[in-house]
Amino acid sequence: DSGVTQTPKHLITATGQRVTLRCSPRSGDLSVYWYQQSLDQGLQFLIHYYNGEERAKGNILERFSAQQFPDLHSELNLSSLELGDSALYFCASSVATHLSGNTIYFGEGSWLTVV
Amino acid sequence: AQTVTQSQPEMSVQEAETVTLSCTYDTSESDYYLFWYKQPPSRQMILVIRQEAYKQQNATENRFSVNFQKAAKSFSLKISDSQLGDAAMYFCAYLSGNTPLVFGKGTRLSVIA
Repeated sequence: DSGVTQTPKHLITATGQRVTLRCSPRSGDLSVYWYQQSLDQGLQFLIHYYNGEERAKGNILERFSAQQFPDLHSELNLSSLELGDSALYFCASSVATHLSGNTIYFGEGSWLTVV
Repeated sequence: AQTVTQSQPEMSVQEAETVTLSCTYDTSESDYYLFWYKQPPSRQMILVIRQEAYKQQNATENRFSVNFQKAAKSFSLKISDSQLGDAAMYFCAYLSGNTPLVFGKGTRLSVIA
């Protein structure tokens, strides 16, 4: 158990809908990262938050957004869902930012299936 | 941009034998970190081992060790005394101050009893 908690574990929704994925980082971790793992794209970095502020953006679609709250949990919002958004979405956390080279620990992921 | 290449999509090893998974990376930075993550069928990403680029000594964690060749930008993972539970996808990853984790495409390891 990495200590990173993600909910829901599984989610099935229809095209055009909106979903929210939730992440609680490890106790004491200030950084939260979101990654998407699809069958043909491998693991892709989406976005990074540190202590409530956005710090880095990767290949995140405009239909997707995220935030980190004062209690440090984070949410990834996916809207106008398409079939191609079906993937495993990982949340990961670390003590500080990647500037410090801290190890990044992953949650178990949220499986999203868009039908 | 930094890239990580794992040239072996699949590997297999006999139980109790040793296997080496390859990883190369491309970077112009001098300070960075390298990781191997294991993803079993449960799909959870599990940290296996970590290497700081400024350290010449190769990292070791029990049966797992790395061969880090900084000049060659190579970071291979050696698994000794392979066990059935080692069967998984293994991802090499790069991290630096400018770059959150960048992953290779992975190597699927099968362990044959």
